[in-house]
Amino acid sequence: LAKTTQPISMDSYEGQEVNITCSHNNIATNDYITWYQQFPSQGPRFIIQGYKTKVTNEVASLFIPADRKSSTLSLPRVSLSDTAVYYCLVYTDKLIFGTGTRLQVFP
Amino acid sequence: KAGVTQTPRYLIKTRGQQVTLSCSPISGHRSVSWYQQTPGQGLQFLFEYFSETQRNKGNFPGRFSGRQFSNSRSEMNVSTLELGDSALYLCASSLVGTSGRYEQYFGPGTRLTVT
Repeated sequence: LAKTTQPISMDSYEGQEVNITCSHNNIATNDYITWYQQFPSQGPRFIIQGYKTKVTNEVASLFIPADRKSSTLSLPRVSLSDTAVYYCLVYTDKLIFGTGTRLQVFP
Repeated sequence: KAGVTQTPRYLIKTRGQQVTLSCSPISGHRSVSWYQQTPGQGLQFLFEYFSETQRNKGNFPGRFSGRQFSNSRSEMNVSTLELGDSALYLCASSLVGTSGRYEQYFGPGTRLTVT
């Protein structure tokens, strides 16, 4: 079962781009890579999902290299409201959350 | 469309009691999964129900059980509560299941405190 490794915490300032990298060395051929955002006392919220190369939506981009052993969530121009915990997940037959990255955005 | 709803939002129980939590998925979603979140263990998968059948199960003792009804609503039951069961219990629904291509939508959770 693939496991993910992420930095425990990151700090940034408003307006900056934030890149959070996740390692998933044991990813299987059919596994998708998904990122969730969680605020205190709320359930996680889906941000983006990808299988390979690059995926972009209205809130983030996800970069996945050819070997798929890592992925990078890119948040453009973060604001204070982006302060949250971000989870990288590799889908297999069940959703296994990693420890997450606590992003703190300062004014 | 309405999101995932969970009731109650907060609950206080004493050791040895049992508790039932409820989850109503997004309309049309047939898969419901349950998770336990604690500061020490993070988010842990409990089980998933799809079309009234348990499809996946995490590594939790038999005190944790669940069921799903024909309208896809799900309940989770914890018997003989222990202090360590204090946690945020999250329910998530998805269109088909926890396969790679379908995202899960989480409810706000039920905060269970065991005293």
